[in-house]
Amino acid sequence: DIQMTQSPSTLSASVGDRVTITCRASQSVSSWLAWYQQKPGKAPKLLIYDASSLQSGVPSRFSGSGSGTEFTLTISSLQPDDFATYYCQRYNNYPWTFGQGTKVEIK
Amino acid sequence: QEQLVESGGGVVQPGRSLRLSCSASGFTFSSYVMHWVRQAPGKGLEWVAVISYDGNNKYYAESVKGRFTISRDNSKNTLYLRMNSLRTEDTAVYYCAKGGSKEEHFYYYMDVWGKGTTVTVSS
Repeated sequence: DIQMTQSPSTLSASVGDRVTITCRASQSVSSWLAWYQQKPGKAPKLLIYDASSLQSGVPSRFSGSGSGTEFTLTISSLQPDDFATYYCQRYNNYPWTFGQGTKVEIK
Repeated sequence: QEQLVESGGGVVQPGRSLRLSCSASGFTFSSYVMHWVRQAPGKGLEWVAVISYDGNNKYYAESVKGRFTISRDNSKNTLYLRMNSLRTEDTAVYYCAKGGSKEEHFYYYMDVWGKGTTVTVSS
């Protein structure tokens, strides 16, 4: 199975910072990659699909890039509502696989 | 708006069974692939199972294969997960999630999630 590895596992940042999270796949997943945001006690929320397409209603400060085996999620200017855990997920074939998550904390 | 509501969670002893339900509204349920995803306490997300829009194709994570069964009743707009031979490691919040439509690729992202139902396996 293709493994998904995120880095860092935890990130400390301040409001207004530019934040970048990396997701690496053990084999190419083309552009079949999504990013989700999850807050404590809540369900995951889709942010980005097909590696770089912004889900409807998601603020434009979120962006995704990459293809093949290396992907990034960027938050251009971190807002108080953005402190959460972020997961990448591949969906190019079975089984659907998530990264282990990146927790974005207040610095 | 599109909505998914899970139910059926609870506390169950190891080796026993439980059936989860997921009620869908706000979209044409019978046209969409549906998933179950779980999250153990303090852990990340783990995909569990998927079912095609017509129920004819089902796939499972290795960790639940042979013990869990995904099914759907399109006349009731409801997704199910039958969990047999439960283990302590099955303790988690279980989410249902909407995948792609029958016109789209089977392998698709999950754009709508329920709030989850908690399953605790403990003696």
